[in-house]
Amino acid sequence: DAKTTQPNSMESNEEEPVHLPCNHSTISGTDYIHWYRQLPSQGPEYVIHGLTSNVNNRMASLAIAEDRKSSTLILHRATLRDAAVYYCILRDAIGGYQKVTFGIGTKLQVIP
Amino acid sequence: SAVISQKPSRDICQRGTSLTIQCQVDSQVTMMFWYRQQPGQSLTLIATANQGSEATYESGFVIDKFPISRPNLTFSTLTVSNMSPEDSSIYLCSAEWGLAGAGTDTQYFGPGTRLTVL
Repeated sequence: DAKTTQPNSMESNEEEPVHLPCNHSTISGTDYIHWYRQLPSQGPEYVIHGLTSNVNNRMASLAIAEDRKSSTLILHRATLRDAAVYYCILRDAIGGYQKVTFGIGTKLQVIP
Repeated sequence: SAVISQKPSRDICQRGTSLTIQCQVDSQVTMMFWYRQQPGQSLTLIATANQGSEATYESGFVIDKFPISRPNLTFSTLTVSNMSPEDSSIYLCSAEWGLAGAGTDTQYFGPGTRLTVL
């Protein structure tokens, strides 16, 4: 399985943008990049995913490097509710179903 | 999307006993999963439960310890058997439609069951 590397923790001030990096240097051409987050005392929730192009949704934006070896999850205005552990995960689109493997993720602290 | 509920939300159990955790999805899904999350750790997949077939267990997890049922497309149970304090953890179930092209599928999670074994 292709691996991802994320910083263990990050801090952000409330109402400022947050850029959460993820390195995936061994990504294959058919791997999708997914982001999930886990709020305190809750199960993980889906945030966003993409393949090659940058993606936007109501929660966040995903910027994917041209060589696809890294990506960045962007929260445009961090709120206290965004304090969570953010997981960057790769999922292959071919070869049948493949399980989701969670790494350690990045713990985001939002400072009021 | 899918809404997933789990029962119980938490429990305190004595060693040597067993606990069955229920997971209910508000729509029919192909694939359901059970994870364990130990304090301060990431999620570890225990097994995949598909309706009509035996669960598929990950390395380090066995059916005798974690029997799983999947009687229909909206429900699954995980039993933690003969518990010891090392089983104290959060157990989460999740579901996915399992569409062709798994790269784009989204997995939905329940809120978890916090288990403490004394």
